[in-house]
Amino acid sequence: EDKVVQSPLSLVVHEGDTVTLNCSYEVTNFRSLLWYKQEKKAPTFLFMLTSSGIEKKSGRLSSILDKKELFSILNITATQTGDSAIYLCAVNAGGTSYGKLTFGQGTILTVHP
Amino acid sequence: NAGVTQTPKFRVLKTGQSMTLLCAQDMNHEYMYWYRQDPGMGLRLIHYSVGEGTTAKGEVPDGYNVSRLKKQNFLLGLESAAPSQTSVYFCASSNPLRGGEFFGPGTRLTVL
Repeated sequence: EDKVVQSPLSLVVHEGDTVTLNCSYEVTNFRSLLWYKQEKKAPTFLFMLTSSGIEKKSGRLSSILDKKELFSILNITATQTGDSAIYLCAVNAGGTSYGKLTFGQGTILTVHP
Repeated sequence: NAGVTQTPKFRVLKTGQSMTLLCAQDMNHEYMYWYRQDPGMGLRLIHYSVGEGTTAKGEVPDGYNVSRLKKQNFLLGLESAAPSQTSVYFCASSNPLRGGEFFGPGTRLTVL
């Protein structure tokens, strides 16, 4: 059974801090790993990672995948209160599960002013 | 482009009642999904569809049925609602080759 585990489950920081969110996985026929941000409503897509060692960046957010060690990290630098959200990691497994995502539990990030 | 829409946004049911949640997408995506989200458990896949006329079970399919009669619509049915089905339900669609699923705004369902 495919499994995705995120840590920490919750994190409280102050504006300006840098945070690192972790995602480890055990799946068959790995295709890609995705990160989402969820505020009060639907998750919104952040990154898709398919290759090891290649960093994806968008502003203050960046993410990297290690396919050998089966994990990914999401970094947020100079955090702002608007970064407060649930961050979800999901893995897309191929083969008969092509296109189907397995989600982790999520990390609840709270950024205080 | 409306993206992914869901109706209704909120619903309260009594145990044993039935209802259908409707999801529609206008992005011509082949793949559509229904998830439920409960505190501390992330998103769990209920059923999904890889094309018109096809459906498949996800992680937590019991108590739910789905239909995909048209490419743009994916319906989730509860035949006899139970309190354990109190949750927030999200529909999503995707083109897996391009990456990322697009989510609808969610339906908050309470079963008393």
